[in-house]
This record gives sequence, structure tokens and C-alpha cells, in this order.
Amino acid sequence: QSALTQPASVSGSPGQSITISCTGTSSDVGSYNLVSWYQQHPGKAPKLMIYEVSKRPSGVSNRFSGSKSGNTASLTISGLQAEDEADYYCCSYAGSSWVVFGGGTKLTVL
Amino acid sequence: QVQLVESGGGLVKPGGSLRLSCAASGFTFSDYYMSWIRQAPGKGLEWVSYISSSGSTIYYADSVKGRFTISRDNAKNSLYLQMNSLRAEDTAVYYCASYIGGPDVHWYFDLWGRGTLVTVSS
Repeated sequence: QSALTQPASVSGSPGQSITISCTGTSSDVGSYNLVSWYQQHPGKAPKLMIYEVSKRPSGVSNRFSGSKSGNTASLTISGLQAEDEADYYCCSYAGSSWVVFGGGTKLTVL
Repeated sequence: QVQLVESGGGLVKPGGSLRLSCAASGFTFSDYYMSWIRQAPGKGLEWVSYISSSGSTIYYADSVKGRFTISRDNAKNSLYLQMNSLRAEDTAVYYCASYIGGPDVHWYFDLWGRGTLVTVSS
């Protein structure tokens, strides 16, 4: 299974919105609504931000939203804040009990 | 509190073996699937393996199949990863993780440990 494709980096100013894309194939992202997104600060464990494409776990800010179209999923962060600066990873079920992650995107808040 | 704590990482020579452990607390361990996920230094996340709540169903990534063995002891609330024939490319922080938001889910992870570093080098 190949990793999902994410941009290496994105940036935005405080208050702005940014979107991170996650491109897979018809065998993973395109076939299942089982896409999740994780936020990881340096030296910390990942944190689940979005699951099932667009659902937010309890406690996650509503500034984080997810969507999917075809083989591409997206994470949008609105009202950027300094504490959003982190690495973000998408993840998808890929059938046959496989799970595949994206390569990660470094978000810089300018 | 609800937590996972990994242990057992360290420095090992290529071809060597290591056994990682993950101690769970604060939730009913035996109800949930458990997974190992690793992250090489400066790299992204890679799913390694998962085991069902009863231990009857197990899957591995191709990169570790035949070399790593996942297991669990529900009586001890513990998850294990036996790693044999280790290679330099196995160097990573190894996380145990689970989804405790619902049963029988191994494709989301809402609970992570802090990870344990495995370094394979001569």
C-alpha cells in the first residue's frame, strides 16, 4: 500500500483559513468514508482531530472541519491560531484490514 | 486516567530482537482493538500491526510481516510487539494506539501512548 499524498507544507496568517489535501486512490480514500486526520506537535503523540471524513471528537474545536471528494480528502482549519502550528496527517482505511497514512503536512502560522 | 504507556525500546544491532510492551489503564482493555504505529525520525506515521479485542484477528504491514509478532494479554491489560530480524529501517518511535470511541474499530486512533524509541544500529 502506498502512502496517501499530502503537501509537504502549508502556511497561513492568524485568523485566516487553510486547507490541507490528502490524495489517495479508488482503493482507499475513494472507497471508504473512513478518513481521519491527526495533529502532532513536536515531540508529542498524534491527536485525533477528524474521523469518518468530517466528524469531530469531543473536545476538538469546530474550527477544524473535514470533507472528501472522490479520491481526495481535505482538512480545513478556519480562524488560524498560533497553537495550530503542527504537523497534520491524514489516514484512510484501505481494505483488507490495511490502514494507510499520508506523508504529513507541516502547518506554519505566520 | 485513561492512558497507554509503552516500554521496551532501546538500541539493538541489526538482526537482533526486541520486545515492546504497552500497558493500558483507565478503560476496559479487553473491549478494544489495539495497534502499533511507528514514526521514523523526522518522517511520517506508518501503521505496523493491529490485533482484535480477543486476539483472534491479526494483521501486519508488508514491511514487518514475518519478522514482527503482535500479541495481547487481556488479564494483564497489556499489548506486546515482538520484533525479530531488526533492520536499520525499523528505527522509529513506536506508538501503541487504539480507538476507544467504539468497539471493533482499527482504522481510527483516539488514544495514543507517548511512544518508545527503537534504534537499530551497529
